[in-house]
Amino acid sequence: GENVEQHPSTLSVQEGDSAVIKCTYSDSASNYFPWYKQELGKRPQLIIDIRSNVGEKKDQRIAVTLNKTAKHFSLHITETQPEDSAVYFCAASSRGNEKLTFGTGTRLTIIP
Amino acid sequence: GAGVSQSPSNKVTEKGKDVELRCDPISGHTALYWYRQRLGQGLEFLIYFQGNSAPDKSGLPSDRFSAERTGESVSTLTIQRTQQEDSAVYLCASSGLAGVGNEQFFGPGTRLTVL
Repeated sequence: GENVEQHPSTLSVQEGDSAVIKCTYSDSASNYFPWYKQELGKRPQLIIDIRSNVGEKKDQRIAVTLNKTAKHFSLHITETQPEDSAVYFCAASSRGNEKLTFGTGTRLTIIP
Repeated sequence: GAGVSQSPSNKVTEKGKDVELRCDPISGHTALYWYRQRLGQGLEFLIYFQGNSAPDKSGLPSDRFSAERTGESVSTLTIQRTQQEDSAVYLCASSGLAGVGNEQFFGPGTRLTVL
C-alpha cells in the first residue's frame, strides 16, 4: 500500500519568512495530494491540493509543488503570520481509491 | 449548512467495556471515512464507506473494531472490549462525490479515554 513520509516533524520560522514542508510517497499510481491544517484542538481542514496532471498550484501565500518522477511534493507558505502556526498534514491517494494516506504531520510555529 | 457532526465529543470508559461512536456526515455526501489520531500523531485510516459498495475495512486494527453505515447517512464505529491503547481522538470525515480528489470534511472528533 501507499506510504507517505513527511519532514520536518517540527519547524519554527520567524514571522514574515517562508516555510517549506516536504513529503514523499511510494505508490507511483497516486494522483491526488491534499494538504490539511489542524489547529490545536480543532479538526483538520483542507488548505490546498494538487493533482498529478499539474506541477504547481498557488493560492495567495500558499503553494504546492509536485515532482512525479521523484515522487515528492512540497507545501510552501510565504510571508508567514502567527495564525499559520498549526500542524500540517500531507496526504496521497491513488487512482480508483479514495482512501487518503496521511503523513505524520509537521508542527509549524511562527515566531513573532 | 451543517457540517460533519460527531457524538459524544468526549467518552471516558473502563478497560474491557464496549463503546459506540457516532458520525453524522454532511447531507448528500456519499463517502464517509473514520480515522484515529493518537496524541501528537498523524491520522490513521480505519474504514471507508462509499454508497452501496462494500466498505474498505483495511485500516481496522483488530476484530474488536467494527463500523456500520445506514444508507448514505449516519455511521457508528464500535470498539469492543476496549484497551488503553484505544485511547485517541476518533475523527469522521465525509466527501460529496465519488472519485478521487474530493475534499474530505472532518467532524470535530470524539476523544476516547480508556482507563
